[in-house]
Amino acid sequence: GQQLNQSPQSMFIQEGEDVSMNCTSSSIFNTWLWYKQEPGEGPVLLIALYKAGELTSNGRLTAQFGITRKDSFLNISASIPSDVGIYFCAGLNYGGSQGNLIFGKGTKLSVKP
Amino acid sequence: NAGVTQTPKFQVLKTGQSMTLQCAQDMNHNSMYWYRQDPGMGLRLIYYSASEGTTDKGEVPNGYNVSRLNKREFSLRLESAAPSQTSVYFCASIRTPGSIDGYTFGSGTRLTVV
Repeated sequence: GQQLNQSPQSMFIQEGEDVSMNCTSSSIFNTWLWYKQEPGEGPVLLIALYKAGELTSNGRLTAQFGITRKDSFLNISASIPSDVGIYFCAGLNYGGSQGNLIFGKGTKLSVKP
Repeated sequence: NAGVTQTPKFQVLKTGQSMTLQCAQDMNHNSMYWYRQDPGMGLRLIYYSASEGTTDKGEVPNGYNVSRLNKREFSLRLESAAPSQTSVYFCASIRTPGSIDGYTFGSGTRLTVV
């Protein structure tokens, strides 16, 4: 089946630093999504990308849909303690009745005040 | 608040016991999904229901059954729990696959099988 390689697995950064994480796939996706999960909660959608080459921002977050449709990255600028959590990329190919998300294994972000 | 509600939040089962995890959404979404999350594995799809009256297997369906009771509710059943089913289970819904508003997840059920 389709697999997503997400890196890095974990990051320990100082408050105020910028963060970058990415996902790559051996096959193409129609849509890339980035989620954040906080302890004891389900994933929450941060950014959705629908078009190859698309660059989208949501506050301090910026994500891009790779031109080849096989990769995506997420940047967080000027990190703050509440950015702590696990960030997941997810790829989606929809057609027919499926539309199932394929998730990366997550990037665990720790922010030191 | 509108969203996806999962019950129970926590459960401990003995090997061989059965139980049903409940999920309900009040957003009038057509499609619903059950995922399991294990450390270092991300989220893996167990079963999904693209629309009321239909269910299909995902990546890891063995040991599970599902029922789409109505448009709002999608339950996951473990007939004979095994320690390998210790995990956090998430239900999710979406209006239609590929909808621009994305998937909404519940807050999870943490299941331990001893």
